[in-house]
Amino acid sequence: DSGVTQTPKHLITATGQRVTLRCSPRSGDLSVYWYQQSLDQGLQFLIHYYNGEERAKGNILERFSAQQFPDLHSELNLSSLELGDSALYFCASSAYTRVDTGELFFGEGSRLTVL
Amino acid sequence: GQNIDQPTEMTATEGAIVQINCTYQTSGFNGLFWYQQHAGEAPTFLSYNVLDGLEEKGRFSSFLSRSKGYSYLLLKELQMKDSASYLCAVESGYALNFGKGTSLLVTP
Repeated sequence: DSGVTQTPKHLITATGQRVTLRCSPRSGDLSVYWYQQSLDQGLQFLIHYYNGEERAKGNILERFSAQQFPDLHSELNLSSLELGDSALYFCASSAYTRVDTGELFFGEGSRLTVL
Repeated sequence: GQNIDQPTEMTATEGAIVQINCTYQTSGFNGLFWYQQHAGEAPTFLSYNVLDGLEEKGRFSSFLSRSKGYSYLLLKELQMKDSASYLCAVESGYALNFGKGTSLLVTP
């Protein structure tokens, strides 16, 4: 158990809908990273928050947005869903603003299926 | 931009040694990481290199050459449980980007 909690574990929805994925980082960790993993694209970096502020943005679509709240949990909002958004979404946390020594801990992921 | 390349698949025999290569191009470099991921599970940390040279950790070693944009992960005394995907990742600024991973199959 990495200490990173993601909910829901599985989600099935229809095209055009909107979903919210939630992540609670490990106790004391200030950084939250979001990744999308599909079979053909590997682990794609979406966005990184540190202590409530956006630190880096990757290949995140405009239909996707995220935020980190004062209690440090984070949410990833996916809207106007398309079939291609079906993927495993991982949240990861670390203590500092950079990963540095490699202590990036992943949650078990939220599997999104868009029908 | 950033580009991280690794072989898609490799096969090796139980008890043998395997080397998984990773090449990268990045505008800014804070460190290189290797993660292991079993199918359907979360990635787990294996190693970190920020300076040139070899880092050894039990059966796993990782090498970095920053001037060549090159790293490798060396797995010794392969076990069946080492069958997994191995992900090379580069930290640039505040982003940690992953390669597409190398799927390693260990055969008896």
